[in-house]
Amino acid sequence: EAGVAQSPRYKIIEKRQSVAFWCNPISGHATLYWYQQILGQGPKLLIQFQNNGVVDDSQLPKDRFSAERLKGVDSTLKIQPAKLEDSAVYLCASSLEGHRASGIETQYFGPGTRLLVL
Amino acid sequence: TQLLEQSPQFLSIQEGENLTVYCNSSSVFSSLQWYRQEPGEGPVLLVTVVTGGEVKKLKRLTFQFGDARKDSSLHITAAQPGDTGLYLCAGAGNYGQNFVFGPGTRLSVLP
Repeated sequence: EAGVAQSPRYKIIEKRQSVAFWCNPISGHATLYWYQQILGQGPKLLIQFQNNGVVDDSQLPKDRFSAERLKGVDSTLKIQPAKLEDSAVYLCASSLEGHRASGIETQYFGPGTRLLVL
Repeated sequence: TQLLEQSPQFLSIQEGENLTVYCNSSSVFSSLQWYRQEPGEGPVLLVTVVTGGEVKKLKRLTFQFGDARKDSSLHITAAQPGDTGLYLCAGAGNYGQNFVFGPGTRLSVLP
């Protein structure tokens, strides 16, 4: 079974430029997550999709970050314009349903995109 | 906002030693997970615990969920260099809501 795919793996841009990351989740997974992981910290949830609808985007800086999941499969995360503090690894994860009565589901993570903003 | 703290932040030990890392919160979690993340990769799930007081074993790894569901520990017996990585705990409320990761414990096992 293919895992979560992300591209590009690395990106270097200058501040105020725009950048986009792409994620292809595991086939059949309804829920897709985007996380930001700053060096030395744990991943922070930016946005969660259930199919093509947004479940949680409370920690997404909406003035510069946007995300979409057209047709409920692939997803794109965009930053426009980028700031120095956006330098981080951007992780995409997917899970079968996203919720269940007993609590968390298993999330499967991609390798991440490492962004450096100069 | 539910927060998770992990300790120690860094741990460097020799192969064959035992170790315990901790995950603590002032909030109650419906369930808690432990992940391991290697450099250049995404986190990989090790275990999910859902019942207060629950103990789960995965080969040389033993996971415990606190009785009050506010804390958890991960014990590794006879650590090996392959255990090197960032160990993250993550918790959620009912139905997986308010999912949050801790900052992680970075473990280095020296041969």
